[in-house]
Amino acid sequence: AQSVTQLGSHVSVSEGALVLLRCNYSSSVPPYLFWYVQYPNQGLQLLLKYTSAATLVKGINGFEAEFKKSETSFHLTKPSAHMSDAAEYFCAVTSGSKLTFGTGTRLQVTL
Amino acid sequence: GAGVSQTPSNKVTEKGKYVELRCDPISGHTALYWYRQSLGQGPEFLIYFQGTGAADDSGLPNDRFFAVRPEGSVSTLKIQRTERGDSAVYLCASSLNGPGVRTEAFFGQGTRLTVV
Repeated sequence: AQSVTQLGSHVSVSEGALVLLRCNYSSSVPPYLFWYVQYPNQGLQLLLKYTSAATLVKGINGFEAEFKKSETSFHLTKPSAHMSDAAEYFCAVTSGSKLTFGTGTRLQVTL
Repeated sequence: GAGVSQTPSNKVTEKGKYVELRCDPISGHTALYWYRQSLGQGPEFLIYFQGTGAADDSGLPNDRFFAVRPEGSVSTLKIQRTERGDSAVYLCASSLNGPGVRTEAFFGQGTRLTVV
């Protein structure tokens, strides 16, 4: 079965600093991978998805992620953090008819 | 509305009671999903509907949980004899077609269920 592991339940960065949120996957078949963001009291919103068309995927709000098969990773990055990026981020992989989510990483952005 | 709507937004119930959670998907979306998100965890799959039928209910934890979508639009998640362990945020999502990477699932804001 496909699964994802998110390293670090909490990440804190200064405004303007690089954001790096880690996700590693386990899959017996080529995976389809996603990053979702959840702002307080809001639903999940799709940031970006990997569909095997390109290894570097650009998403909304300046985020991007790179699929690295050799490392079984799909880390999320943003060059410069903004206060509005503070939220919970979930990595997910398709598994049959459903998405299987990681446990999430809460991003804190400080001044 | 334009998005997935879930009601109520919050529900507090006593242990042993029956609850119903409602999901209004985006108009025209044939696929509908229910997930459960416990504190500190990612969403966990419960059930997937394609049209009126439950195409995959492998995530329902036990027979106290049941969901319907009689007309292929609104869905209701029903929980009988609630237990404190059922406390969680229940998320609903819909997509235009069935599961697939080219079909984005849109999530509602969830119903926070608290069993006391």
